[in-house]
Amino acid sequence: GAVVSQHPSRVICKSGTSVKIECRSLDFQATTMFWYRQFPKQSLMLMATSNEGSKATYEQGVEKDKFLINHASLTLSTLTVTSAHPEDSSFYICSAIVSGISTDTQYFGPGTRLTVL
Amino acid sequence: QKEVEQNSGPLSVPEGAIASLNCTYSDRGSQSFFWYRQYSGKSPELIMFIYSNGDKEDGRFTAQLNKASQYVSLLIRDSQPSDSATYLCAVNTNNNAGNMLTFGGGTRLMVKP
Repeated sequence: GAVVSQHPSRVICKSGTSVKIECRSLDFQATTMFWYRQFPKQSLMLMATSNEGSKATYEQGVEKDKFLINHASLTLSTLTVTSAHPEDSSFYICSAIVSGISTDTQYFGPGTRLTVL
Repeated sequence: QKEVEQNSGPLSVPEGAIASLNCTYSDRGSQSFFWYRQYSGKSPELIMFIYSNGDKEDGRFTAQLNKASQYVSLLIRDSQPSDSATYLCAVNTNNNAGNMLTFGGGTRLMVKP
């Protein structure tokens, strides 16, 4: 299947700092990427849809000024958690769409575990 | 509200048995249906997708789709302890950003040796 990478895989930071997470499509171009958050033992929660060359579309309740998304190229989307606080500690996962003959398929990156002290 | 429903489980089956995972969806316009497996602490990985009514087989996995009943299932034959994971059903929907997936809450499967 298509490969989506994320960097870093794990980050620990102090409260108040900003953290940038990168999501790359390695062998295909992705005009659309998604950012999810998952708390322990809970379901995936879609945070935003990242569109190359335009502003991201945020889900209800997700602060766009808190979670900055930049999709500057067809292979890279970044999520910046600004002024992170302990309640932002979570598993952040990106995904990208691969267009196929029969259907579009979404592939996930390996995720980034953020711990805010 | 477009919904995808799954029984959260846990579904416990003995090793070697068939595990049957079920999913219902509310949007009749949905065209494609996906099953993902998520191990604890890991991100979801795609198992298979289906878009035509009937069965689709891939190794030990069989996806079944019934659009009239708005029902999709995943059968795992000869279940192994390594199949123990959370299985996510996903259904494609269209929003302002284009195609996106709506996920169910997942069913936790436990395969006991």
